[in-house]
Amino acid sequence: EIVLTQSPGTLSLSPGERATLSCRASQSVSSSYLAWYQQKPGQAPRLLIFGASSRATGIPDRFSGSGSGTDFTLTISRLEPEDFAVYYCQQYGPSPGWTFGQGTKVEIK
Amino acid sequence: EVQLLESGGDLVQPGGSLRLSCAASGFTFSTYAMSWVRQAPGKGLEWVSAVSGGGGITFYADSVKGRFTISRDDSKNTLYLQMNSLRAEDTAVYYCAKGGRKTTVITSLDYWGQGTLVTVSS
Repeated sequence: EIVLTQSPGTLSLSPGERATLSCRASQSVSSSYLAWYQQKPGQAPRLLIFGASSRATGIPDRFSGSGSGTDFTLTISRLEPEDFAVYYCQQYGPSPGWTFGQGTKVEIK
Repeated sequence: EVQLLESGGDLVQPGGSLRLSCAASGFTFSTYAMSWVRQAPGKGLEWVSAVSGGGGITFYADSVKGRFTISRDDSKNTLYLQMNSLRAEDTAVYYCAKGGRKTTVITSLDYWGQGTLVTVSS
């Protein structure tokens, strides 16, 4: 099973600032089968990024994903008030046993 | 508009059984893989199970293998999760989620339901 480790656990930033979230895999993630989700309190997760760098339908371009192999990054270029939430990475490679990271909380400083 | 509506969550005793349902609409249900993902109270997300479009291929997390069974009825646009031998650690909100690409189960999850709460306690 591939273990995903997200850092930091909590990111305290102000609106307008840039957020950089990391997701590190215990082994290489095949063909960039890496997704990012946003979850707000009391809501279901929402897909932001798939294939490591492709934005899902309707996702603003301030969200971007990058990386390959074992190191992946989600960047929010300028935080809007609605972006304060918990973010999860997920690997969905060809071998079943898909896993999520433990999450990074982006909170208002 | 894609909609996923889970039901069937309840309070159940350890060792008991429960069947969750997820009614889907707004897309061609039979052509997409579907998954169940759970979230224990105050915790992160855990992938539970997936089924291919058409139902021929199923996958399970090790934590539920042999106890849970995923299935689908494409004539009713409904996904199911039969949960047996439930344990306290199965307590969670269970979400159904739609695969983002047609046919393949190797895909991200592009739409999620609002979840149904399963509580396992005596």
